[in-house]
Amino acid sequence: GEDVEQSLFLSVREGDSSVINCTYTDSSSTYLYWYKQEPGAGLQLLTYIFSNMDMKQDQRLTVLLNKKDKHLSLRIADTQTGDSAIYFCAEIYFSGGYNKLIFGAGTRLAVHP
Amino acid sequence: GAVVSQHPSWVICKSGTSVKIECRSLDFQATTMFWYRQFPKQSLMLMATSNEGSKATYEQGVEKDKFLINHASLTLSTLTVTSAHPEDSSFYICSAGGTSSPVTETQYFGPGTRLLVL
Repeated sequence: GEDVEQSLFLSVREGDSSVINCTYTDSSSTYLYWYKQEPGAGLQLLTYIFSNMDMKQDQRLTVLLNKKDKHLSLRIADTQTGDSAIYFCAEIYFSGGYNKLIFGAGTRLAVHP
Repeated sequence: GAVVSQHPSWVICKSGTSVKIECRSLDFQATTMFWYRQFPKQSLMLMATSNEGSKATYEQGVEKDKFLINHASLTLSTLTVTSAHPEDSSFYICSAGGTSSPVTETQYFGPGTRLLVL
């Protein structure tokens, strides 16, 4: 079945770049997503990438997609303390007549001075 | 754009009572709404999916009589936890999506509702 895996924890120094990695299994996914969750809050859509793209850049965020290896990454440039949160990778899969999301376990990003 | 609200943001109730949680898409019409449950330090678990005016489709292992979902309009879905018990305590998050999403099929999430059953 579909599965999404990501590392659980990342610690970076403020001002450095953060790279969060994710692998997925469903090669037919049309969209792949990165969501951010702060403590006690819902999920905020950070960015998404179409499956026919290799890279997408949006201000400090860069998403890289390697379809051959089914690998997705999120790079955050100039990481700030406000970026501390849990980051979920997600892919779309079609089931039961709906386009649903399957999430990774989430990567907890800790930014320290 | 793509704002989804949930109400209430938190609720404490006695065991045996029913609790209703509302999910609204504020600035777009959501053909499909989703309800998730999240346990501490874990990922989201999809409970059910619904289209406006249709019965919800529940994921395996989710009791449809326990978690009643009503998707009454293109902007409102409700989740009712019936006869709540302490094991139902959790963080419930809804999302709105479907073909009419600002980015088609992309889900936009509400802020979540924390339920504590005593």
